[in-house]
Amino acid sequence: AQTVTQSQPEMSVQEAETVTLSCTYDTSENNYYLFWYKQPPSRQMILVIRQEAYKQQNATENRFSVNFQKAAKSFSLKISDSQLGDTAMYFCAFMNPFAYSGAGSYQLTFGKGTKLSVIP
Amino acid sequence: ETGVTQSPTHLIKTRGQQVTLRCSSQSGHNTVSWYQQALGQGPQFIFQYYREEENGRGNFPPRFSGLQFPNYSSELNVNALELDDSALYLCASSPIPAGANYGYTFGSGTRLTVV
Repeated sequence: AQTVTQSQPEMSVQEAETVTLSCTYDTSENNYYLFWYKQPPSRQMILVIRQEAYKQQNATENRFSVNFQKAAKSFSLKISDSQLGDTAMYFCAFMNPFAYSGAGSYQLTFGKGTKLSVIP
Repeated sequence: ETGVTQSPTHLIKTRGQQVTLRCSSQSGHNTVSWYQQALGQGPQFIFQYYREEENGRGNFPPRFSGLQFPNYSSELNVNALELDDSALYLCASSPIPAGANYGYTFGSGTRLTVV
């Protein structure tokens, strides 16, 4: 079974500064997907960024970028120019589309999350 | 796109009772998944439905069951509620093919409290 570990329960960053959230995972598979989701107080999970394991290039989405180290099984999220609206829980998630628990199943395995606070 | 809508937003039930949670997926999203998020934890996969049939299940007992309807709505039913069932229940939908390529769209969840 896959596991996802987020070792930072809480972090804070000054507005406009840069912060990096850590995530490690454990899998024996070679092809999989990794995600960062944001959960603000509204509770809705919002996809921040996605990385395919077979792509060596790190994914970027505007102020959000990842450092994907496949050999080390590490997938960190960097938020640049932090904004007050970035305050939320951040969850790292793993998906192995080949580990079907039923045909066509694509379950996400989440870490426990990191609570990020952006300070004005 | 109308997003994913869940109802009710909050619910209080008594231990031993049964509960039905509802989810309305985006049009065209044939896959719906349900997750349980206990306080201070990440979401845990309960099960997934594709074209009205369960096609994947996490480590949850049979008293957790579901239904998916042709109009992109779905239900999560929990029988014989236990105190540990208190959690936020999230619904997530995705189009064909499922989530990996397009990403899941999550609802805002139903907060269930069992007393």
